[in-house]
Amino acid sequence: DAKTTQPNSMESNEEEPVHLPCNHSTISGTDYIHWYRQLPSQGPEYVIHGLTSNVNNRMASLAIAEDRKSSTLILHRATLRDAAVYYCILRGWTSGSRLTFGEGTQLTVNP
Amino acid sequence: GAGVSQSPSNKVTEKGKDVELRCDPISGHTALYWYRQSLGQGLEFLIYFQGNSAPDKSGLPSDRFSAERTGGSVSTLTIQRTQQEDSAVYLCASSLEVLDEQYFGPGTRLTVT
Repeated sequence: DAKTTQPNSMESNEEEPVHLPCNHSTISGTDYIHWYRQLPSQGPEYVIHGLTSNVNNRMASLAIAEDRKSSTLILHRATLRDAAVYYCILRGWTSGSRLTFGEGTQLTVNP
Repeated sequence: GAGVSQSPSNKVTEKGKDVELRCDPISGHTALYWYRQSLGQGLEFLIYFQGNSAPDKSGLPSDRFSAERTGGSVSTLTIQRTQQEDSAVYLCASSLEVLDEQYFGPGTRLTVT
């Protein structure tokens, strides 16, 4: 399985943008980049996914490097509710349908 | 709308007993997954059902673990002769089709004493 590397933790202030990086240098051409987050005492929650082009939805934006070896999840205005563990996961036909969770990034949002 | 539901939310059992955990996926979702999360550990894949295909059981940690999905909907995860290391939060997820985003339930916290 292609692996991802994320910082263990990051901090942000409320209402400021947050950029969460992910490295995936061994990504295959058919792997999608997925992001999930897990709030305290809850199950994981889907955030966003993309293949090559940058993606936007109501929760976040995903910026994908041209060589696809890295990506950045962007929360445009962090709120206290965004404090969670964020997971960057590769999914494709070769990696299978399961989600393989790594350590993720613990995001702390300061008021 | 209704999300993925799981029951019970908490289960305390004695070592050696059998337990059954239930998952009700989102209606119409063809794929169903079981994961578990031990205290301070990451999420670990257990088993995956897709339509009428044979399940992918490659994540089950031992033959004490089994799961079934009846009628393409509700799933039950059974752990026989529970051990203390089985203590974890067991999470169920469903998706409309394979590789679609997965929607997770709130989990069942299993404590084996």
